[in-house]
Parts: sequence; C-alpha cells; structure tokens
Amino acid sequence: QVQLQESGPGLVKSSETLSLTCTVSGDSITNYYWSWVRLPRGKGLEWIGYIHYSGSSNYNPSLKSRVTISVDTSKNQFSLNLNSVTAADTAVYYCARLEYRSGWLLSSWGQGTLVTVSS
Amino acid sequence: QSVLTQPPSVSGAPGQRVTISCTGSSSNTGAGYDVHWYQLFPGTAPKLLIYGNSNRPSGVPDRFSGSKSGTSASLAITGLQAEDEGDYYCQSYDITLSGSVFGGGTKVTVL
Repeated sequence: QVQLQESGPGLVKSSETLSLTCTVSGDSITNYYWSWVRLPRGKGLEWIGYIHYSGSSNYNPSLKSRVTISVDTSKNQFSLNLNSVTAADTAVYYCARLEYRSGWLLSSWGQGTLVTVSS
Repeated sequence: QSVLTQPPSVSGAPGQRVTISCTGSSSNTGAGYDVHWYQLFPGTAPKLLIYGNSNRPSGVPDRFSGSKSGTSASLAITGLQAEDEGDYYCQSYDITLSGSVFGGGTKVTVL
C-alpha cells in the first residue's frame, strides 16, 4: 500500500519561494508519474504539474513560469518549487501518484499540507 | 473558474439518492476523455471514488456509481449515509493543457 507524505514550511513570505517535498513509501518512485495538486480556500482543486523519474514533466500553463517539479530517486521523493509567491498561492498542497487506468488519474494522495503566504 | 462545472452543493436525507453533475467541453470530456471522481474530507488524503467514468476501485461501496454521456458525467450516491458528507470533485484530461482538469467541487450535506 503506497503512502505519500508532504513536508515543508507552512508559512512563506510573499515574493519568496515555496518548497515542498513528497516522500513516497511502499512503492518505487520509478514505477509511476507523480503530481502536485493544490486546493485554495473556497476554491476547487487545481492541477500544478507532474513528473516522471526519467525527467519528463509538464506544468499547468497558468503556473508554468513559476513552477519546477523535480525527483530524487535515491530518496524516493519528489519536490515542488513555486517562486514569486503571492497570497493567491495560499492553499493546501497535495502530492499524488499519477497513473493511466482508463485515463490519467490520481490513484493515491498525501493528506495535504497547508501553506500560507504572508505579506 | 474551474474548467469542469459542478453544482456547489447537493443535499439529501439519509437513505435518499443524490446526484452530482460534471460538465466539460470539447477539449476534455467532450473529446472522449474519461472522468474520475474523488472524495475529500478535511485533514485526510483525498480518495479515488470512481475511475474511467463508472468503475469503482476495490473497497468503494457500490452505493457510489458513475456515468458519462457526451460532455457530461454524473456521480450518484444511493442510500445516503452521514459518513458521505464531504466534498466531491470530478477530474478529466484536457488536450489543450496536456494535463488534468478538475471541477469546482460539490459539497454533499446529509440532512
């Protein structure tokens, strides 16, 4: 049973960089694609991007200029960097396993971590 | 504004049936891409509820069912229970984004 756990600062200052790590256990990170999704308060889920251990990645066009997702196979982790943050980036951030099963879907998720951007 | 459109809320008494709609466009659901549904409770990991429009992962009660026709999909919950109270999101693939798109979420309230 795969488990995902997000970690990182819960408070980030405006204009700085938000950095989160997702630790995967119970499965090798080389077996799937991995994704970040966020849930701003009062809004719906928003896909941020995905990465494969081979380096293949793709990002939401609305965030592409500010986002980098990377993978560390030695630690079975993948990470999110979002720069130049503003209050609009305040959200619960989830990491998830992305797989193709009758379409691309997010089969397992972390419990999420709240990141607040302060001025 | 979410790419997929869901009603903000639905409600029903215990034992009743409720449905949640999810409407997309020609670049996602209308292009034939499947719809998946997730159940969210505060402080817990979201759960895949329905995949490929109508398939239930193992462990999901058969009270939950899904369907899709054209650009729209639906999630039905029959025999509504208090533990079903939470937020439900639909998701599909969008060819324009080359990535996932979600609905705005629907809050299910058990009266």
